[in-house]
Amino acid sequence: QVQLVESGGGVVQAGRSLRLSCEASGFTFSSFAMHWVRQAPGTGLEWVALIAYDGVNKFYADSVKGRFTISRDNSKNTLYLEMNNLRSEDTAVYFCARDVGRHMDVWGQGTTVTVSS
Amino acid sequence: SYVLTQPPSVSVAPGQTARITCGGNNIGSKSVHWYQQRPGQAPVLVVYADSDRPSGIPERFSGSKSGNTATLTISRVEGGDEADYYCQVWDSSSEYVFGTGTKVTVL
Repeated sequence: QVQLVESGGGVVQAGRSLRLSCEASGFTFSSFAMHWVRQAPGTGLEWVALIAYDGVNKFYADSVKGRFTISRDNSKNTLYLEMNNLRSEDTAVYFCARDVGRHMDVWGQGTTVTVSS
Repeated sequence: SYVLTQPPSVSVAPGQTARITCGGNNIGSKSVHWYQQRPGQAPVLVVYADSDRPSGIPERFSGSKSGNTATLTISRVEGGDEADYYCQVWDSSSEYVFGTGTKVTVL
């Protein structure tokens, strides 16, 4: 079945880096654009980044631009989010999601990132 | 930046109808999508492109749009519908935008 599984979350000090991964299965990963979306504790959903199906075009929310990098390896069916210079406000559950028609039709279960000061 | 406004909460008795609104400037020209998020779980797409339902979503979930407001309607509400609901659009200046979220409580 169609599935997305995130990993790589954890507790990290402010200013440090972390890389999240999202492994896809059950569909042709290389045919779909992919998102990262996050949810800080007790708050709503915030879009973070999008990468095109071929990895060429990338888009970021202003809140992470210049600090986060989205990438993908279609040979490994895996999406990544490299997060640098982490801040306390980056503490959240990070979800990967499949894009179809400018919305998200499949979501992973999420991985938790906690930035400690 | 583009903002989508939802009521913080909606309460409804079982078997009744819940209506969740989503307001935004010129939303009539945008395609609106809706997600359900049960506590501790990932979001699930329940309506896309204003009023279409993904396979597996009950017909009790429907979407509509009028003027500057989109509405998600849940008919014959069940206890399992208790969740947070988010609208979402794509905006050329803000990219992907989620609404503020509405908590649906089944009385």
